[in-house]
Amino acid sequence: EAGVTQFPSHSVIEKGQTVTLRCDPISGHDNLYWYRRVMGKEIKFLLHFVKESKQDESGMPNNRFLAERTGGTYSTLKVQPAELEDSGVYFCASSQADLGNTEAFFGQGTRLTVV
Amino acid sequence: DAKTTQPPSMDCAEGRAANLPCNHSTISGNEYVYWYRQIHSQGPQYIIHGLKNNETNEMASLIITEDRKSSTLILPHATLRDTAVYYCIVRTGLGGYQKVTFGTGTKLQVIP
Repeated sequence: EAGVTQFPSHSVIEKGQTVTLRCDPISGHDNLYWYRRVMGKEIKFLLHFVKESKQDESGMPNNRFLAERTGGTYSTLKVQPAELEDSGVYFCASSQADLGNTEAFFGQGTRLTVV
Repeated sequence: DAKTTQPPSMDCAEGRAANLPCNHSTISGNEYVYWYRQIHSQGPQYIIHGLKNNETNEMASLIITEDRKSSTLILPHATLRDTAVYYCIVRTGLGGYQKVTFGTGTKLQVIP
């Protein structure tokens, strides 16, 4: 069974450009989460989808970030326009349920560099 | 979710048991203890979790104190591939949603 996959693995863009990150969760996982680690900092929660609905987007840094999950399958995270401080590694995770005793599985991450 | 405290780094000889401690003194009754690890720059990898009983799986054992204020992750026979940053997390989820907060973790170095 395929794990959580993220695309691209690396992206280098100029300040002001737009970038779209994609996450394909494990098949059948209704819960999808986005996290990011900016340089030297801890991994931080961004948002949580249950199927196609945003359950919690309290970690989204500002309105330059837009996440979607049309159809409740894969998700995209768009950054527009990108700023230097957006550089970091963006992780996606999925879980079958969102109960206390259910683990989440993470993708390999997308390393975003804004120059 | 409760905060956790871990030592920033530890060394372990290859083949020996690695015991990674974690303090979570403010843990609530419905919060689980989870362990993940991150090898180099890969995504976090789930290891094990528990509520109050000790747990064991093919990767590790988790020992939770009776008062649940601390726990220890045990890798019984550490290998070089176990070199990673290990994160101890506590989270609730009863009817709620997952919002895991990763701390700084413990950087485990397995030495040949």
